[in-house]
Amino acid sequence: QVRLVESGGGVVQPGTSLTLSCAASGFSVTSIGIHWVRQAPGKGLEWVAILASDESSEFYADSVKGRFTLSRDISKNTLYLHMKILRNEDSAVYYCATIGGHWGQGTLVTVSS
Amino acid sequence: NFMLTQPRSVSGSPGKTVDISCTRSSGSIARNYVQWYQQRPGGAPTLVIYEDNQRPSGVPDRFSGSIDSSSNSASLTISRLETEDEADYYCQSYGSDTLNWVFGGGTKLTV
Repeated sequence: QVRLVESGGGVVQPGTSLTLSCAASGFSVTSIGIHWVRQAPGKGLEWVAILASDESSEFYADSVKGRFTLSRDISKNTLYLHMKILRNEDSAVYYCATIGGHWGQGTLVTVSS
Repeated sequence: NFMLTQPRSVSGSPGKTVDISCTRSSGSIARNYVQWYQQRPGGAPTLVIYEDNQRPSGVPDRFSGSIDSSSNSASLTISRLETEDEADYYCQSYGSDTLNWVFGGGTKLTV
């Protein structure tokens, strides 16, 4: 059974860093690309980033380019979203999702002074 | 990248049919597959249509998808409306980098 579990969210101050995790089970993170999507409170879905399954390609939304990076640990079957220079507007629930329509439950990031 | 435009809200009565449109701003709607997600309050999005008109297993056949090249738009049709269909619906396609996703702004369905 395919499952994605996000973790690592919390309350942080502007300008600081945070790393989110997306633990996968039921499939290998090397077999399919995994996206990050965020949703600010009361707003719509915003695509954030994707790491291709073979790590040959990674793409980022313009709003996070240069501040967010992706990595993965195959031994843990986990994908990471490293976020730095966080801004108030980065506050959102962050989801990881596969092209096959599997989504995690999300983790909340609040950037506030 | 292009934009996907959805109506902010639609409504329908139980047992009736509603259509939710998703218009692509530039480039052909047929160029990249369109997916549709349902999101109930407090929950994560769930896939209801993929590859324009395919239904994942477990999604009722009351949900159907289509594309219309003349209006450069995709549509989600929900027939025989049920109160449990009340949710936000998002269309999604693929951007210029092929792998990146583009979402519509979402449509609130009231039943």
